[in-house]
Amino acid sequence: KQEVTQIPAALSVPEGENLVLNCSFTDSAIYNLQWFRQDPGKGLTSLLLIQSSQREQTSGRLNASLDKSSGRSTLYIAASQPGDSATYLCAVRPNFGNEKLTFGTGTRLTIIP
Amino acid sequence: EAQVTQNPRYLITVTGKKLTVTCSQNMNHEYMSWYRQDPGLGLRQIYYSMNVEVTDKGDVPEGYKVSRKEKRNFPLILESPSPNQTSLYFCASNLLGQGAGTEAFFGQGTRLTVV
Repeated sequence: KQEVTQIPAALSVPEGENLVLNCSFTDSAIYNLQWFRQDPGKGLTSLLLIQSSQREQTSGRLNASLDKSSGRSTLYIAASQPGDSATYLCAVRPNFGNEKLTFGTGTRLTIIP
Repeated sequence: EAQVTQNPRYLITVTGKKLTVTCSQNMNHEYMSWYRQDPGLGLRQIYYSMNVEVTDKGDVPEGYKVSRKEKRNFPLILESPSPNQTSLYFCASNLLGQGAGTEAFFGQGTRLTVV
């Protein structure tokens, strides 16, 4: 059974700093890994999708990497801003059977102005 | 605009009163699913559908029903809601298979309270 872990559960950093969020998964048989952002009580906004054959993806100040063999992904946020404060979730999609997403429990990020 | 639309966004109901949460997508996706999100438990899949008339149970299907009569719609039915179904619900859709364009899209969420 796939398990996804995100560490730390919460993180506070001053505005302007670069930061890294971590995601690890136990089963490397995945199609892709997706990073989401969720504001309190709101929906999920997709940030980046990395296919299993890719090593990284970039969108603006965000860069996500994937090391499938070691079961790890990181989300790098450059020059953090208060508007980046949210919960960040990673989810993996298996390459067999029910293609459900298995989510981590998230990292709650607070950017201090 | 590509989107998944859920309705209603907020719902308060009483125990035992049947309700339906609608979900519609405009991307011609084969795969649709429902998740619930609870504090400390994260997002868990309730039901999924790999195409029209093809549905199956996810991890937490008890107390829920779904149907997939049309490709774009995937309603979630609670025939006799109970307080333990109070949660934040998300509908999602994606193309099947691997490759570009297979990211999952999520609806805005439905916050359900059962009293």
